Amino acid sequence: GENVEQHPSTLSVQEGDSAVIKCTYSDSASNYFPWYKQELGKGPQLIIDIRSNVGEKKDQRIAVTLNKTAKHFSLHITETQPEDSAVYFCAASEGFWSYGKLTFGQGTILTVHP
Amino acid sequence: GAVVSQHPSWVICKSGTSVKIECRSLDFQATTMFWYRQFPKKSLMLMATSNEGSKATYEQGVEKDKFLINHASLTLSTLTVTSAHPEDSSFYICSATLSGAYEQYFGPGTRLTVT
Repeated sequence: GENVEQHPSTLSVQEGDSAVIKCTYSDSASNYFPWYKQELGKGPQLIIDIRSNVGEKKDQRIAVTLNKTAKHFSLHITETQPEDSAVYFCAASEGFWSYGKLTFGQGTILTVHP
Repeated sequence: GAVVSQHPSWVICKSGTSVKIECRSLDFQATTMFWYRQFPKKSLMLMATSNEGSKATYEQGVEKDKFLINHASLTLSTLTVTSAHPEDSSFYICSATLSGAYEQYFGPGTRLTVT
């Protein structure tokens, strides 16, 4: 099955700096890669996603890049704000034919210091 | 759009009793719902995939007789933890997706504590 590795496990930045979180996946047939933000005691919130036919996607301060050859994808947050502090999870769809079933990375605790 | 609710948000029950958790898609019809379990400071672990009108598909190692899942309508799925024990204490989260869609939308989660 799919295996997703996420780094770093914790990330501390100053307000206004950029934050980058990286994930690698094992199944070359995976074709959908979402990123979720989870605040304490709440469910994950989809913040951005990318499909395998696209190399980069941007939504305001958030961007995701995908390198299919290397099987890795990254989340980029620019101009970080204290409210960006949360746990971020990457995920990958498990195989081409079973879209919807996600495998999650281990999570990154992002702390943005004012 | 794409709002998923869960009820209750938290529940405390005694060992040996059963607890039902509801997951509802409020503004869309969800042909598929997923149930996850999350331990403190850990990632989400998929327990089962639930399709409306059919039996749930459980992940390896998840006891189907202990975690009963029912997906009776396109907007409601339920997870019943039967004969709960303290080791079942966890954060249970559901998600929902439209037919053929990739995006998965999560509920706010249910904190279960078994005493």
